[in-house]
Amino acid sequence: EAEVAQSPRYKITEKSQAVAFWCDPISGHATLYWYRQILGQGPELLVQFQDESVVDDSQLPKDRFSAERLKGVDSTLKIQPAELGDSAMYLCASSVRRGSSYEQYFGPGTRLTVT
Amino acid sequence: GDSVTQMEGPVTLSEEAFLTINCTYTATGYPSLFWYVQYPGEGLQLLLKATKADDKGSNKGFEATYRKETTSFHLEKGSVQVSDSAVYFCALVNTNAGKSTFGDGTTLTVKP
Repeated sequence: EAEVAQSPRYKITEKSQAVAFWCDPISGHATLYWYRQILGQGPELLVQFQDESVVDDSQLPKDRFSAERLKGVDSTLKIQPAELGDSAMYLCASSVRRGSSYEQYFGPGTRLTVT
Repeated sequence: GDSVTQMEGPVTLSEEAFLTINCTYTATGYPSLFWYVQYPGEGLQLLLKATKADDKGSNKGFEATYRKETTSFHLEKGSVQVSDSAVYFCALVNTNAGKSTFGDGTTLTVKP
């Protein structure tokens, strides 16, 4: 069964450092999402891609976060500089439209700890 | 904007007890509704879904019915097991945008 791949699974970094996460969606899924999940809360959308284009980045802190999906396949999310409040789980998902609904598939996530 | 409200946890039950986790939503249009489960240190797994009013989603003994009149999608299971211990998230997908809006999750602990 195809899965969304993410790496690394865990990352510890010092504040003010740069950090990057990678996501490889399920083959053929045109839509890719990055979510941030703070401990004890539900995931919150950071950015949504349709192929290589950004369709929603309204909640992305653009002064320090950037995301790209250059060839419309895999994607990278970057934080520079990292802050203590960025400690969270970063989840990638991809989706396929089934009828009138989108069905999202999530990767295992990257747990970021900023010290 | 869209929002999802889940009953606050944590919920602690004995094995074989009946489970209900309440979920209500606010959305424009006709969203699809989902329940996800998250085990410690892992990503989210789709548990069940419903795409229109009165649809019932079911999987692994869990059920939820899309109630448009009460804007609810409560999760139920007749007999829980220790292995059901996890965090459960209710979510909706705005079919126009394709993005999910999640509740804050409900932690379930099942004791033997």
